[in-house]
Amino acid sequence: SAVISQKPSRDICQRGTSLTIQCQVDSQVTMMFWYRQQPGQSLTLIATANQGSEATYESGFVIDKFPISRPNLTFSTLTVSNMSPEDSSIYLCSAMTGQETQYFGPGTRLLVL
Amino acid sequence: AQSVTQLDSQVPVFEEAPVELRCNYSSSVSVYLFWYVQYPNQGLQLLLKYLSGSTLVKGINGFEAEFNKSQTSFHLRKPSVHISDTAEYFCAVSDLRTGRRALTFGSGTRLQVQP
Repeated sequence: SAVISQKPSRDICQRGTSLTIQCQVDSQVTMMFWYRQQPGQSLTLIATANQGSEATYESGFVIDKFPISRPNLTFSTLTVSNMSPEDSSIYLCSAMTGQETQYFGPGTRLLVL
Repeated sequence: AQSVTQLDSQVPVFEEAPVELRCNYSSSVSVYLFWYVQYPNQGLQLLLKYLSGSTLVKGINGFEAEFNKSQTSFHLRKPSVHISDTAEYFCAVSDLRTGRRALTFGSGTRLQVQP
């Protein structure tokens, strides 16, 4: 398995600002992903964080709004840019081990005012 | 594209009663299947997974699920629930045809265990 930590755990931000979320895994993993969970809803994939190259974004998500970095095999960041109240969500990082299983971080709870 | 349907948004049940949470996915030749649990204000915890082999999969906390390829289902069961099982349960699928390994989630089922 993999143990994943995220920082910050929660934040309250003003509209128009940006927030960078960090995701750290305790071991090297094959793949890392970022998901969004809007209030009372299920999880939606934002992008696959690729090590050393640009992230692969899902339909409806763009790099200018959600830039992602993954400089090594255990760390990734997601930035939520130019925030609006509609960005208020839980953002979750996940990592996949060699056993085809994704493990999730505790999430970052974001409230945009 | 793969889709996952969790037929029940909420399931109320009394403590020590059996429970089944239903999950169906759209047809695919090759899939991996997962159940996750989310306790209030926490992240997702893996309950169990089906990758291959026996269609009956046992997980943590006494949960089990059965993969039924002909019915494209992966229902989660527990013979006797506890108050502590109250949580949101998500079924998820990884479609091996795409090679992406990202998960498609169902809408979730809230299990409410009553004393």
